[in-house]
Amino acid sequence: EAQVTQNPRYLITVTGKKLTVTCSQNMNHEYMSWYRQDPGLGLRQIYYSMNVEVTDKGDVPEGYKVSRKEKRNFPLILESPSPNQTSLYFCASSPELLRGLWTGELFFGEGSRLTVL
Amino acid sequence: DQQVKQNSPSLSVQEGRISILNCDYTNSMFDYFLWYKKYPAEGPTFLISISSIKDKNEDGRFTVFLNKSAKHLSLHIVPSQPGDSAVYFCAASTGANNLFFGTGTRLTVIP
Repeated sequence: EAQVTQNPRYLITVTGKKLTVTCSQNMNHEYMSWYRQDPGLGLRQIYYSMNVEVTDKGDVPEGYKVSRKEKRNFPLILESPSPNQTSLYFCASSPELLRGLWTGELFFGEGSRLTVL
Repeated sequence: DQQVKQNSPSLSVQEGRISILNCDYTNSMFDYFLWYKKYPAEGPTFLISISSIKDKNEDGRFTVFLNKSAKHLSLHIVPSQPGDSAVYFCAASTGANNLFFGTGTRLTVIP
């Protein structure tokens, strides 16, 4: 089954304790991205990756790191989590660009709800 | 600054009737417009999209309309079914690497 898998689905942690949210896709997609969803703000992009070893910042990258060492995996790292990073996080992937343009059709994971105390 | 706006946080419709969800945007550089549907405890799923060179796209019960001069997008669901009850997100892309989402509209279809 084609899917994007995130772990953990739920996590409660404390300020400053490093954590990693893993993301894996089995569709051989080149593009992967992380979003966070907050009430009244919709989904906002944190980081994205066009291919292995190619990553770039989205709209709200502060406090996050990512890496793309393999095509299928795109972990999100919070080096020193703070309460304002309490949110619902989604990983997403997308096939390669179509005629040089990215249409925005994303396949999302089920989400990871993170609470930072 | 929200580039894609959904001004109605919720909408209730009787089963069998038409549901109309609206979306406004501010960036004239957007090339593609999409609707995503989200059920509780699941990730958003792609529903339908439209290119900026078109003004209408249909897929079964779902039709998206684009009015570029008004910078307005709408999703029509006809007929509405209880299984359509979900949060609907409007999104827009410049054809680059990001997708700008609205804040979502919760649709409830009443049996």
